[in-house]
Amino acid sequence: SQTIHQWPATLVQPVGSPLSLECTVEGTSNPNLYWYRQAAGRGLQLLFYSVGIGQISSEVPQNLSASRPQDRQFILSSKKLLLSDSGFYLCAWKKPGTASNEQFFGPGTRLTVL
Amino acid sequence: KQEVTQIPAALSVPEGENLVLNCSFTDSAIYNLQWFRQDPGKGLTSLLLIQSSQREQTSGRLNASLDKSSGRSTLYIAASQPGDSATYLCAGHYNQGGKLIFGQGTELSVKP
Repeated sequence: SQTIHQWPATLVQPVGSPLSLECTVEGTSNPNLYWYRQAAGRGLQLLFYSVGIGQISSEVPQNLSASRPQDRQFILSSKKLLLSDSGFYLCAWKKPGTASNEQFFGPGTRLTVL
Repeated sequence: KQEVTQIPAALSVPEGENLVLNCSFTDSAIYNLQWFRQDPGKGLTSLLLIQSSQREQTSGRLNASLDKSSGRSTLYIAASQPGDSATYLCAGHYNQGGKLIFGQGTELSVKP
């Protein structure tokens, strides 16, 4: 069976500090991977998605970036955090090439920028 | 612009009641519609996915329908239980890459 992990679960960072959030998927190969952010009162927003190693598509211009150094690893980064980066960050995966497009989500990382 | 709307934002019902959650979408060129459950502070749990060629899907006490022509989907929960209390989100898939457009969710509270 497939499982998805996110690390860390919670994070409190000062404004201007760097960020690195990690997402890993087990039990599948070549998944499509996604980063979403859930901010208070704004719903879930797609930030980045990746269909393969080194392939990243950005949906929202901002001071965040994503990388996919390995097949089942997806990393969300920032060089300098802003207050507006606070939120709940969710990673998701789906099987490639399937008509259903069903996505499965990880447990999330709660980021608070002070 | 592709938008997904869920009404009401919050719903409170007594235990045992059957209920319907509503989801509407502006763009009928939808590939699939997926319903999720989110418990406070947790990730999303996939409940049901309806493909554009289908009209409904069932899982246990849950039944989801999709009407592309009217731009609506409903999630029916039979014999509600306190454990069903959570936020329910619907999301539309609009391309093969899997981009999801989410509604704002309906927060459901089932009172014992």
